[in-house]
Amino acid sequence: GAGVSQTPSNKVTEKGKYVELRCDPISGHTALYWYRQSLGQGPEFLIYFQGTGAADDSGLPNDRFFAVRPEGSVSTLKIQRTERGDSAVYLCASSPSPGGVSGANVLTFGAGSRLTVL
Amino acid sequence: AQKVTQAQTEISVVEKEDVTLDCVYETRDTTYYLFWYKQPPSGELVFLIRRNSFDEQNEISGRYSWNFQKSTSSFNFTITASQVVDSAVYFCARKAAGNKLTFGGGTRVLVKP
Repeated sequence: GAGVSQTPSNKVTEKGKYVELRCDPISGHTALYWYRQSLGQGPEFLIYFQGTGAADDSGLPNDRFFAVRPEGSVSTLKIQRTERGDSAVYLCASSPSPGGVSGANVLTFGAGSRLTVL
Repeated sequence: AQKVTQAQTEISVVEKEDVTLDCVYETRDTTYYLFWYKQPPSGELVFLIRRNSFDEQNEISGRYSWNFQKSTSSFNFTITASQVVDSAVYFCARKAAGNKLTFGGGTRVLVKP
């Protein structure tokens, strides 16, 4: 697609429920990232995929959070047993390749999925 | 953790004034990249500029300019002749080894007509 698409744009759920957030990256982008942005703060890294594999999941806060990218394109962020503290905007980004440090590719972000846990 | 700090939480200016946003970063790396992103009310982060650690030349791109000073670990960003459409939250970010962007807390810019 032309840009990074995230669905749903808004999700309201009750504490303890399971939630899935979807990200459709720019076509051909091999690197995909998930970030979380709490109100009034900067985005915080959650996980990064290179192709189908999670190359770095060090930002996932606990084992209730899990993400997959089975075919190397669309990714789903899954949150089990949601808590009120999980309320935030979940941002997805993609880039042509990770680039490492020598060639830092620019990340293109989606508009985010706003999750509210009641 | 190596932080990125944006000390200004909010700046309010009148249209056509210049706005300078401060950014100070921590890093133990010799090679890294610095970025500025804009987040308008729609929520989508928009890339503005990128700078690598081994090139301290400051540049101007349209109404945007930046001042990178490695000695003070600062990467300040200026909007010249601000416009109402510049109203947004601006984030400074650093990328070092690995593929994570570390963002600052953001500076909200309000440009009044």
